[in-house]
Order: sequence, then structure tokens, then C-alpha cells
Amino acid sequence: AAGVIQSPRHLIKEKRETATLKCYPIPRHDTVYWYQQGPGQDPQFLISFYEKMQSDKGSIPDRFSAQQFSDYHSELNMSSLELGDSALYFCASSLYRMNTEAFFGQGTRLTVV
Amino acid sequence: AQSVTQPDIHITVSEGASLELRCNYSYGATPYLFWYVQSPGQGLQLLLKYFSGDTLVQGIKGFEAEFKRSQSSFNLRKPSVHWSDAAEYFCAVGASVYGNKLVFGAGTILRVKS
Repeated sequence: AAGVIQSPRHLIKEKRETATLKCYPIPRHDTVYWYQQGPGQDPQFLISFYEKMQSDKGSIPDRFSAQQFSDYHSELNMSSLELGDSALYFCASSLYRMNTEAFFGQGTRLTVV
Repeated sequence: AQSVTQPDIHITVSEGASLELRCNYSYGATPYLFWYVQSPGQGLQLLLKYFSGDTLVQGIKGFEAEFKRSQSSFNLRKPSVHWSDAAEYFCAVGASVYGNKLVFGAGTILRVKS
């Protein structure tokens, strides 16, 4: 079965650079979530989208932005990167109206040097 | 606000022994509860979920969990642990599975000794 695809899997950036993470949800899923997991930490919710509209917002820094496109894929844009942004970023997707749980991708490991 | 407490940061069990990982949640309404497993550097795999109905839920890999409303708990159990079960386990609560965020516990790292 198709799963949530995240790209890239690994990314190394320097401080103050920008990064774009991509998430391709499971086909026909209409809701996308982004989570950040720092080293040794639990995943923290950043933001979610339902039908291309922001549906909820968590602890996402102002330097980050995200959107969901017409094909339901989502991108997380991160600017002015800081060392503390180094983390594993997860995307998850679900089908809102069918009461399904969220399925997670493998994550993108971002390292800021 | 929802919160999840996993009181055990690390647990070590012998292969073949039984396992129970504790999870307590705080939420005003009926919670949606989940257990996820994460191997090092990997994604989160759903083990099981509780939405409603039977309070004892069965999951993959021989895991089960019991929802106890009176204790605000959702403990994960396995009767006989295998070495491949070594991983980190996260309990999570969702306000609703309809597009709402999950709040995770801090996780419990399971070590299995042979």
C-alpha cells in the first residue's frame, strides 16, 4: 500500500540558509500534519492543513511557513535556519471524513551546521 | 489542554518476559488514544488505537492496550517480548481523529536483553 512520502530524507544546511521539505500524502488523504522531533524529544505538532486550508497551528516558529497544494502535497519552508532547528521532521496524513488515524512518513532529518 | 505522561523513560526486560508500558493522559472529553513505535532514525509506526467500544484493543506485533477511563490510563502490554521489539514507544492522545493534532508523551525506550 502507498505510504506517506517525504523528501528529501536527509538535508544539511548552514545557519541562516533556507530549506524546503516536501510531503506527499497517501492518495485520497486530504489532511496533512507536520511534526518536529528534536534529538531525544517527542514529536511536537507544528501545523496542519485540511483541503488546502490551514486547520490547526502548534509551536511553529514565525521563520517557518507551510502550505498544501491542489494535489494535496505539502511543503514546509524554513528560513533563517538556526542550529536548534536540527531535528527530524515528520509529515503525516489522514482522511478527515472517513475517521482514519494519521499515517506518518519516514521523516526528513535536517541538520543545520 | 491535552497532555500525556509516560512515567518510564527506560525499561529493560528479558527476551520472552512480559511487558507493560504505562501511559496516563489528561483530556476533558473522550480521548482518541494511540501507541506508536519508533526504531532509531525511523518513522513512527502505529501499533494500535482506541476510538471507542471495547476497552481492550489489539494491535500489530502481538501488542494490546487497555483503556481505563477511571485511571486515565492506556497501558501497552505484550505477553512475550522479542529482541526485535527494542525501540522507543510513544503514547499519544488526539482531540479527534478528524484532522486534529496529536499530543505525544515523552516516550519510553525499551531495551531487550537476551
